[in-house]
Amino acid sequence: QQQVKQSPQSLIVQKGGISIINCAYENTAFDYFPWYQQFPGKGPALLIAIRPDVSEKKEGRFTISFNKSAKQFSLHIMDSQPGDSATYFCAASIRQAGTALIFGKGTTLSVSS
Amino acid sequence: DARVTQTPRHKVTEMGQEVTMRCQPILGHNTVFWYRQTMMQGLELLAYFRNRAPLDDSGMPKDRFSAEMPDATLATLKIQPSEPRDSAVYFCASGFGTQGFPSGANVLTFGAGSRLTVL
Repeated sequence: QQQVKQSPQSLIVQKGGISIINCAYENTAFDYFPWYQQFPGKGPALLIAIRPDVSEKKEGRFTISFNKSAKQFSLHIMDSQPGDSATYFCAASIRQAGTALIFGKGTTLSVSS
Repeated sequence: DARVTQTPRHKVTEMGQEVTMRCQPILGHNTVFWYRQTMMQGLELLAYFRNRAPLDDSGMPKDRFSAEMPDATLATLKIQPSEPRDSAVYFCASGFGTQGFPSGANVLTFGAGSRLTVL
């Protein structure tokens, strides 16, 4: 119940295309869903986050879509650029309890120019 | 820029040796996490502390791993004895949470990681 399942494991997208990464969870107590971005040799860094009271959040080219009934959320990267090539992790936690983030296994995105 | 500092960045050791990884969280952050990253398992939570008290260490193999916060500026993760399956990148992350706003600790700042290779 504590797992967050992420897919695909790897993704290759052409420059200018849309990258889509999906995550699913089981624990309905989760109420905070961030995405982290990690470049090689670096630690993950917070990219964007959403709470379950909204269905979508957009920041620049990055959008989180959230489907509470399906217990799924996804990251969309519009107009993907080579600089977006990185590993992306979805995560979930129970904000009110301040529990630790549980991460998905990650998606390695390569944007070809 | 405030950052989480981890040492060592790289460590190669032989099976059976003791390994200690250190983390200096961001000044003022009161919640510290240890994660382990491998290709197979992704980012696994090992343990975390709030105000230096351990909140959860259920992700750690208790027989060989130990985590402590001797003071607010230092967190340590020790493996004794180390095994080849412990080879991974170990990340420390910190955040700030209070009793009324524990969620603040969910905004994590990660260190650059300690890459451990056990031969």
